[in-house]
Amino acid sequence: SQTIHQWPATLVQPVGSPLSLECTVEGTSNPNLYWYRQAAGRGLQLLFYSVGIGQISSEVPQNLSASRPQDRQFILSSKKLLLSDSGFYLCAWMPSATEAFFGQGTRLTVV
Amino acid sequence: AQSVTQLGSHVSVSEGALVLLRCNYSSSVPPYLFWYVQYPNQGLQLLLKYTTGATLVKGINGFEAEFKKSETSFHLTKPSAHMSDAAEYFCAVSGPGGYNKLIFGAGTRLAVHP
Repeated sequence: SQTIHQWPATLVQPVGSPLSLECTVEGTSNPNLYWYRQAAGRGLQLLFYSVGIGQISSEVPQNLSASRPQDRQFILSSKKLLLSDSGFYLCAWMPSATEAFFGQGTRLTVV
Repeated sequence: AQSVTQLGSHVSVSEGALVLLRCNYSSSVPPYLFWYVQYPNQGLQLLLKYTTGATLVKGINGFEAEFKKSETSFHLTKPSAHMSDAAEYFCAVSGPGGYNKLIFGAGTRLAVHP
C-alpha cells in the first residue's frame, strides 16, 4: 500500500542550530513531493516541491532548503534556525492533481 | 497562478446552527477544489473534493460544498454544528497540468459553543 512517513513529530531546537526533517514515501516510484509550513495564526504555505531526484523548486525565499537524495525521500533542512522558523511542517505526496497524502507533521519550536 | 481566499479567519456558531465557511478561488485552468480539516495537534484530513461532474459534493461528517464557477466559489456548509466540529478548516485548489501543486487558503478556525 502507499504511505507517507514524516519525522520527528515534535522538535525543540535552539536558535542557530541546524535542522533536518525527513519525509519518505512507500509503495510508489518517482512521486511528486511537497513541503508546507503552517506558522502560528497563518495558513499552509508551500515551501518546496520536487518532481524527481535532485529536482527542487522553491516557492518562497527563506532560511530553509530542501533536498531529494533518493527517489522516495525528501528532506527539509536549515543550517541555522531562526525564531521565525517555528511552526508546523507538513510533507505531502500528490499522485495526481486530484489526490494528496500528508505526513503527520512536525511541530518545530525554535527557542 | 492559482490562489484561494477564505473569508473570515474565525467563525463562531452555536451548537445546532448552520455552519458556512467561505472559499473563493482564482485559477486559469479548470480547478480541482478541496476542503481539509485540522483538529488540534493533528495533521490534515480530507473532508471532500470537487474534480468534475456534480457540482454539489458531499463529504464526511455531514459536510457538503458546492462548486459555483460563475462565482468562483466553493463554500463549505453543514446544516447543524456539533461541538466536535470545532477545528481549523482549509480550502485548497489544484489543477491539471503543471506539477500538481496544492495551494491552500489561510484557513478558518471554527468555534462551536453550547
